[in-house]
Formats: sequence, C-alpha cells, structure tokens
Amino acid sequence: NAGVTQTPKFRILKIGQSMTLQCTQDMNHNYMYWYRQDPGMGLKLIYYSVGAGITDKGEVPNGYNVSRSTTEDFPLRLELAAPSQTSVYFCASSYFPPGSSYNEQFFGPGTRLTVL
Amino acid sequence: DAKTTQPPSMDCAEGRAANLPCNHSTISGNEYVYWYRQIHSQGPQYIIHGLKNNETNEMASLIITEDRKSSTLILPHATLRDTAVYYCIVRPAPSGNTPLVFGKGTRLSVIA
Repeated sequence: NAGVTQTPKFRILKIGQSMTLQCTQDMNHNYMYWYRQDPGMGLKLIYYSVGAGITDKGEVPNGYNVSRSTTEDFPLRLELAAPSQTSVYFCASSYFPPGSSYNEQFFGPGTRLTVL
Repeated sequence: DAKTTQPPSMDCAEGRAANLPCNHSTISGNEYVYWYRQIHSQGPQYIIHGLKNNETNEMASLIITEDRKSSTLILPHATLRDTAVYYCIVRPAPSGNTPLVFGKGTRLSVIA
C-alpha cells in the first residue's frame, strides 16, 4: 500500500490565485482530515470527512473548501490565496472514527505552500 | 479536550532512555492520552495511547501516574532517528467525531 499520498510537494502561488491540493489514500479508510502547520507550531485541523459526501469544519476552515466524492480522495481547495495561507498542509486518514478510543491517523508527506 | 503541558525541548544521549513528560492535570475519567511524533518535514506518526494502565509497544512505553494527572513517554534506547517533535494529546472517547488537537509538543534532540 502507498498509504496517504499528496500532490504537489511544493507550490508557490500569487495572492488571489486558486489551487487544489490533492490527497489520496489506498487503505479504504472512511475518515480523512486536512491539517495545516505553520512554522514552529502544532497542527491545526482545517476540515475533516467521515465518509463520501460528508465533510465538516475543523478549527481553521476559513479560506478553504473540501469535497469527498469518493472514499479514496479528499481534495482541499484554496479559492483566493492569501499570504496567511503560507503553511505546510498535511492530509491524514484513519480506519476508526475520529471520536473512537483508538484513533491512529496515518499522515501524508505534506504539501509546502507559499503565497507571495 | 483537557489541555496538556510539555517542555518545549529536551536533549538525550544516543543509546540512553528518553523520558518525555506531559502534564494533564485537568484530565477526566474517560479521556485517553495519545502520543504522536513528527520527524522533520514529515507527517506525524502515531506512537502509543493509554487510559489508565501503563502501555508498551515496539516503539515506546507509556507510564501514566495513578492520579492520571501526568504521563511519561519512554523511548528505551534512543537513536538519532528518534530526533523529532513529540506531541502529547488528551482526548475523550468515545466523543462523536471530535478529531485530535495537536499542541506545540516537545522537540527531542538525540545527540551522538
């Protein structure tokens, strides 16, 4: 299994541009997550999904959109990029629900995004 | 979720045990203690979790005090590859769909 894969690995955007960060997992996990990590900080949850067609907001959803049309894919969309969105973005998935007593999440390698 | 307090950084000599503390004085009875780590430029990796009893797996041991107000993650023989940021997370379970909340963690440096 490839696990959780993310593309691209690096990206530079100009202010106001749009882009989609791709995330795919091949573990047949129902639960998927998007986090961002600013330099020297912990991860902050942006959005998560408990199954195809179902998404919910995390701590910092403003400026982002998600969709979940298949179990495998969970893309993150930035509509109007701003410098405050410069960060490393991690996608993750889990077999068990986010609220379960065993919530091991499997993380992708991350996408490093810079908005200038 | 109960909050946790971890030292911002620690050093450990290679081959020695690394003991990473975590305070969670407001933890309640149904809240679990989770540990993840993040090696530089990679996504976080699950290490271990526990409720009351001490836990051990192939990566580490988790010691939870009897009053559950603090815990210690032990890496028995630290190697250079264990250099990472270690996150202690407390969460209730079962708790609907509330995902994990990551703090700043402890930056462990293993020194040769």
